[in-house]
Amino acid sequence: DAKTTQPNSMESNEEEPVHLPCNHSTISGTDYIHWYRQLPSQGPEYVIHGLTSNVNNRMASLAIAEDRKSSTLILHRATLRDAAVYYCMPVGVYSRLTFGEGTQLTVNP
Amino acid sequence: EAGVTQFPSHSVIEKGQTVTLRCDPISGHDNLYWYRRVMGKEIKFLLHFVKESKQDESGMPNNRFLAERTGGTYSTLKVQPAELEDSGVYFCASSQGTSPQETQYFGPGTRLLVL
Repeated sequence: DAKTTQPNSMESNEEEPVHLPCNHSTISGTDYIHWYRQLPSQGPEYVIHGLTSNVNNRMASLAIAEDRKSSTLILHRATLRDAAVYYCMPVGVYSRLTFGEGTQLTVNP
Repeated sequence: EAGVTQFPSHSVIEKGQTVTLRCDPISGHDNLYWYRRVMGKEIKFLLHFVKESKQDESGMPNNRFLAERTGGTYSTLKVQPAELEDSGVYFCASSQGTSPQETQYFGPGTRLLVL
């Protein structure tokens, strides 16, 4: 399984954009980059995924580096509900998710 | 449509006892996964069912853990006998397919405490 590196914690103010970085330098060519988040006392929740091109959905945007060794999850306007632990992970043919330590995002009102 | 459900939400048992956790996946999802987070550690994969077959059980910690998915619907994870280090949160997830693009939908977890 490819190893990922994320900052342990980040802080943002409500209504401001947040950029959550992730390094996945050992990613294989066919792995997709997935982001999940875990709100307090809940199970992990899918956020977004991509392969090479940048992706947008209603929750967030995903910017993928050209060499695919890193990616950035972008929350355009953070809300208090976005406070969670965010996990990035390459997902390959075996489909199991490999969670690292993630980034604890704190959103200040 | 109902999401992934897990039962019980909490379980407190004594060392040496048996506990059975249940997971009901989203209807129509052939793929069912078990994960767990033990105290202070990361969420770890345990095993993966495709319908009633075990596709990957490489994450099962030892033979005290037995997972079943008879009929390819709900799944149970039995721990017998439970040890102190089994305490943690057990998550179940389901997905339609197994491609690297598939989204896994997680249940709320079962919080297990072994005393």
